[in-house]
Formats: sequence, structure tokens, C-alpha cells
Amino acid sequence: AQSVTQLGSHVSVSEGALVLLRCNYSSSVPPYLFWYVQYPNQGLQLLLKYTTGATLVKGINGFEAEFKKSETSFHLTKPSAHMSDAAEYFCAVRLNTGTASKLTFGTGTRLQVTL
Amino acid sequence: KAGVTQTPRYLIKTRGQQVTLSCSPISGHRSVSWYQQTPGQGLQFLFEYFSETQRNKGNFPGRFSGRQFSNSRSEMNVSTLELGDSALYLCASSFVGGSEAFFGQGTRLTVV
Repeated sequence: AQSVTQLGSHVSVSEGALVLLRCNYSSSVPPYLFWYVQYPNQGLQLLLKYTTGATLVKGINGFEAEFKKSETSFHLTKPSAHMSDAAEYFCAVRLNTGTASKLTFGTGTRLQVTL
Repeated sequence: KAGVTQTPRYLIKTRGQQVTLSCSPISGHRSVSWYQQTPGQGLQFLFEYFSETQRNKGNFPGRFSGRQFSNSRSEMNVSTLELGDSALYLCASSFVGGSEAFFGQGTRLTVV
């Protein structure tokens, strides 16, 4: 079984400041890891993913995340926050079995960006 | 390329009624999954369909069911609606063997 823990349900940063959203996972087999973003009354948009290979992955809108197996973490960062980054962010894990697509999500982190 | 399309976007139903939600996946995607999102429980997996067969199911009562058609379009049905079924229902599609799932805009169901 797999699980995801997102530390901090609400994070507030100033515009231009570093964004750091934390995600830790638990998985019995090598996982696939994802970050999704959700704007109000919208679906989920994929920001980035880790499957295999390079542990630092870059996504859309200037976001990146680093897979650290030893720490079972996949934290999301962005060097400089923009007002348009205000949204809810979800970390998700999927077993790398190749047969099923079930995603297990964290509880989400709402990012607020202030002037 | 069109994304995942869910219809309708909004629904209001009365307790005890049933409802059917529709999802059209991205062209070429044969795997469709459904998720329920509520403020209290977050995002929870309902079920997954591939080639018209359910191959994975979440921990939901039998009132929740689904199906997939030969063109990969999927529907989910909820019978005997309860107030607690009010939620955003999200559909996602993916390639066979693909790593990521692409989500639709969701259907907001309100049960009154």
C-alpha cells in the first residue's frame, strides 16, 4: 500500500519569495510521484512527475521537485512566487506496476501569495 | 488535442434520486479513472476502467458504479443519493502503460 503526507495544509508566501511545499510518501515498491495544481472550481493540472532517472524534475510554470529516496520525499519548489501561483497543490503517488493507474493523493496544500 | 471532457459541469439532485455522470477521455486513452473530492475526505479513488472492464475499485458502497464503452467513454452512476455524496467528481484518462493521468474539469454534484 502507498500513502502520501503533505506537511502544512496552508502556506503563505510573499510575491517573489521562495515556494516550498512538502511531500513525503510511503510505498512498498518504487513509486511514480506527481504534483498537481487545482484552481477554484477546476480539475487537476499536472505540474510535474517523477518516474525513473533524473531525480530533479522540472515542470510547468517554473516549478521543480526533487525525488529523495533516502528521505522518501518529493518536495515542490519555485524560486520566485507569482500571484497566479495561488491555488491548491496535491502530491500523489502511483505504484510503478504498469497495470493500474490508481493515484493516492495527499490532503493538499493551499498556497496563498501576498503582495 | 481535446482534453478530458466531463458532463455536466454542475448538477443538483434530491436525496434518494440517482445520477449519471459522463466522461470522454483524451483520444487514444483507454484507461479511465474516477475520483471523488470532498472537503472532509479529500481526493479518493472510486474505480478504474480499461477496455470496458473494471480493473480496480476503491472503498465505496455499491451505490457507486460505473462502466466503460467500446469507444473508451465512461459513465459513473450513483443510486439512492445521500447528502454526503455532494462532491466534485473527477475523471482522469491515461495511455496504456503511461505514467500520468490527465484530469477533466469535474462535475460538481450537490445533493439537497
